[in-house]
Amino acid sequence: DTAVSQTPKYLVTQMGNDKSIKCEQNLGHDTMYWYKQDSKKFLKIMFSYNNKELIINETVPNRFSPKSPDKAHLNLHINSLELGDSAVYFCASSQNIRGGLIQETQYFGPGTRLLVL
Amino acid sequence: RKEVEQDPGPFNVPEGATVAFNCTYSNSASQSFFWYRQDCRKEPKLLMSVYSSGNEDGRFTAQLNRASQYISLLIRDSKLSDSATYLCVVNKADKLIFGTGTRLQVFP
Repeated sequence: DTAVSQTPKYLVTQMGNDKSIKCEQNLGHDTMYWYKQDSKKFLKIMFSYNNKELIINETVPNRFSPKSPDKAHLNLHINSLELGDSAVYFCASSQNIRGGLIQETQYFGPGTRLLVL
Repeated sequence: RKEVEQDPGPFNVPEGATVAFNCTYSNSASQSFFWYRQDCRKEPKLLMSVYSSGNEDGRFTAQLNRASQYISLLIRDSKLSDSATYLCVVNKADKLIFGTGTRLQVFP
């Protein structure tokens, strides 16, 4: 069984379109994350949810909107896609964040490769 | 200055060699330190956590020097399967900050 799964694995779309990426974890974790890895392989956090509550919101354009219907799912919707949004988007999960410190291993999904033309 | 800095490499080493990677971090308040491994076109996976006293896991040894804000990873007896990018990871409050990684290529 896949612990953290993402769909789709590949997404090729035109500028200006709206698209969504879905993430699900079956590990029973409380915290989920979205990361972006750009062409220079720099991996940067975008959002984090703990038990459906937004706890980290980095300086990300408001075209990006995460949604967590329950603690096992964290989806990412992107409006008005731009060329610079092309990247690999990784979902991840961890058991918990205790006392504001990250103690637990983060488990990553396989990534969604987004190409905006 | 980047929050987590690593030499990007690549480090090209023969099988059986010992190789060491270094990493420096800027946030003196960081409490959690990790090495992650990322294979080409795959997701990052935890290799090992790094503890103040240093820790070893088989052929892998991690060291932390809080005074110098420096983390190292030593790989002994390199295998072809060790070829990957090694990411130094440090927490900043409730976030993980990833270095850009050091690429290792082990050749026969």
